[in-house]
Amino acid sequence: EIVMTQSPATLSVSPGERATLSCRASQSVRSNLAWYQQKPGQAPRLLIYGASTRATGIPARFSGSGSGTEFTLTISSLQSEDFAVYYCQQYNNFPLTFGGGTKVEIK
Amino acid sequence: QVQLVESGGGVVQPGRSLRLSCAASGFIFSNSGMHWVRQAPGKGLEWVAVISYDGSNKYYADSVKGRFTISRDNSKNTLYLQMNSLRAEDTAVYYCAKEGGAEYCSRTSCSADYWGQGTLVTVSS
Repeated sequence: EIVMTQSPATLSVSPGERATLSCRASQSVRSNLAWYQQKPGQAPRLLIYGASTRATGIPARFSGSGSGTEFTLTISSLQSEDFAVYYCQQYNNFPLTFGGGTKVEIK
Repeated sequence: QVQLVESGGGVVQPGRSLRLSCAASGFIFSNSGMHWVRQAPGKGLEWVAVISYDGSNKYYADSVKGRFTISRDNSKNTLYLQMNSLRAEDTAVYYCAKEGGAEYCSRTSCSADYWGQGTLVTVSS
């Protein structure tokens, strides 16, 4: 099983600042990496697939990068609606696996 | 617009069974692979199972293999999860999710572009 490790667990950021979230895979997942956003009481929402492609309707302030085992989600200028938990997921191998999540909170 | 509506959750005793359903609309259901993903209270996301567009291929997490069965009825646009021999650790919100198109996929599987709102399963005596 591929283990996905996200860091940090919690990120405190002021509105308008940049946020950088990391995700590491225990073995290569090529570019088969997705990022999801989840707000309290809501279902996850797909932000990024293929490591760097924004899903439909996702604002340009969200960007993804990386391949192999190291990945990054960057939110260029945090808006109030961006405070949430973010999960990475690899879909290169079964079982599909998620990282433990990064909570982005207001500083 | 794509809609996924889960149902069938509730409180069940350990060792008993429950069947979840996910009613799909707004897309061609028979063209899309479908996933179940769960989330224990206060915890992260855990992938549970996937079924191919025609039901011919199914894969499961080790934690549910042999106890859970994913299936679909394309004539009813409905996805199912039959859960047997339930344990306390199966307590979670269960989400169904639709696979994206080819560009969302690896050779193995796909990311999920739409999710339902989830149904809560509580396993307790």
